[in-house]
Amino acid sequence: AQSVSQHNHHVILSEAASLELGCNYSYGGTVNLFWYVQYPGQHLQLLLKYFSGDPLVKGIKGFEAEFIKSKFSFNLRKPSVQWSDTAEYFCAVNARTGANNLFFGTGTRLTVIP
Amino acid sequence: GAGVSQTPSNKVTEKGKYVELRCDPISGHTALYWYRQSLGQGPEFLIYFQGTGAADDSGLPNDRFFAVRPEGSVSTLKIQRTERGDSAVYLCASSLRPSGDTDTQYFGPGTRLTVL
Repeated sequence: AQSVSQHNHHVILSEAASLELGCNYSYGGTVNLFWYVQYPGQHLQLLLKYFSGDPLVKGIKGFEAEFIKSKFSFNLRKPSVQWSDTAEYFCAVNARTGANNLFFGTGTRLTVIP
Repeated sequence: GAGVSQTPSNKVTEKGKYVELRCDPISGHTALYWYRQSLGQGPEFLIYFQGTGAADDSGLPNDRFFAVRPEGSVSTLKIQRTERGDSAVYLCASSLRPSGDTDTQYFGPGTRLTVL
């Protein structure tokens, strides 16, 4: 079975600080990787995704993530956070075969202080 | 275009009652998923539809939970004899292409179910 670990439960940063949120998954086969974001009072939105090719993927709002296959990791990064980045961030993975349902981590709450 | 919509946005019910939660996917999306998100957790898979059929219902916690998608578009999640532990946000997602592919799921706003 697949599983996803997000080790940071709550991260507090000041504006302009750099961000890195950890995500590790366990699965033996080929996977797709995603980061979703949930802003306060809003629904889950796709931030970025990795299917194949360049392991460094760029998403919306200046976010990027790097897939490191040997470490089973897909960490999310942003060089300079803004107050508007305050949200809950979820890493997710699904297999290329079968139902394609997503397995999510428990989420990381990011609070950016102005 | 319109995204995934879910109704109601909030549902409060009493223990033992029956509830129905509705999901209207993005037009043309053949795949539909239901997830449940408990407080402090990420969403957990419940059931997946490809067209009208439930292709994978392995995430349904027990036989009190059932879902249908009779015409391959709107889906209804049905919970019988609700229990307090069923309280959660129920999320629906849809995607364009069948399983086993590189595809993106788009989520609705969810229905917050509270069982008193």
